[in-house]
Amino acid sequence: AQKITQTQPGMFVQEKEAVTLDCTYDTSDQSYGLFWYKQPSSGEMIFLIYQGSYDEQNATEGRYSLNFQKARKSANLVISASQLGDSAMYFCAMREHGSSNTGKLIFGQGTTLQVKP
Amino acid sequence: ETGVTQTPRHLVMGMTNKKSLKCEQHLGHNAMYWYKQSAKKPLELMFVYNFKEQTENNSVPSRFSPECPNSSHLFLHLHTLQPEDSALYLCASSQEGKGYYGYTFGSGTRLTVV
Repeated sequence: AQKITQTQPGMFVQEKEAVTLDCTYDTSDQSYGLFWYKQPSSGEMIFLIYQGSYDEQNATEGRYSLNFQKARKSANLVISASQLGDSAMYFCAMREHGSSNTGKLIFGQGTTLQVKP
Repeated sequence: ETGVTQTPRHLVMGMTNKKSLKCEQHLGHNAMYWYKQSAKKPLELMFVYNFKEQTENNSVPSRFSPECPNSSHLFLHLHTLQPEDSALYLCASSQEGKGYYGYTFGSGTRLTVV
């Protein structure tokens, strides 16, 4: 069974500094996708970045990068140059790509990030 | 409108009431989902609809009844709820079968059962 673990309930970072949010996963599938979402206090889940299990390069999207270490089953999110607007809840998620797993995007517990001015 | 739209944004209902949550997606996706987000818990997948057919029911109590009349609309009918059902209910959609399996979420309905 697939599982996502985020061990940091809360994190603080100084504005303009970089921060790493941890995520480990467990799956027996060879083909899967890893996602990071941001959830501000308004409740909407905002897609940030995606990494496929066969992608050789780490995914990057602007200030977001995903440090993908397949052998260790980790998919940490790195936010560079933090901004006050980055304060939110961050969720790591995974879905296996097997035909029996249509639609099963499974989430971790989330990490609350607070950016200090 | 674009994206995934959920209505209402907030809902307060008594335990004997019947209400419905609505989700509409304007992305041409073929799969839609309901998730429940309770305080201090991970998002829980409730229902999956793929091409309007329900393909997943994650042991959800029968007081929650989903309906998917077409690939653009998804409803969650609620009746005789319990206070522990108070949560944020999120709808999402995706295009299955085309490689990238990105999900787009709505803003959610914050439900309070009194």
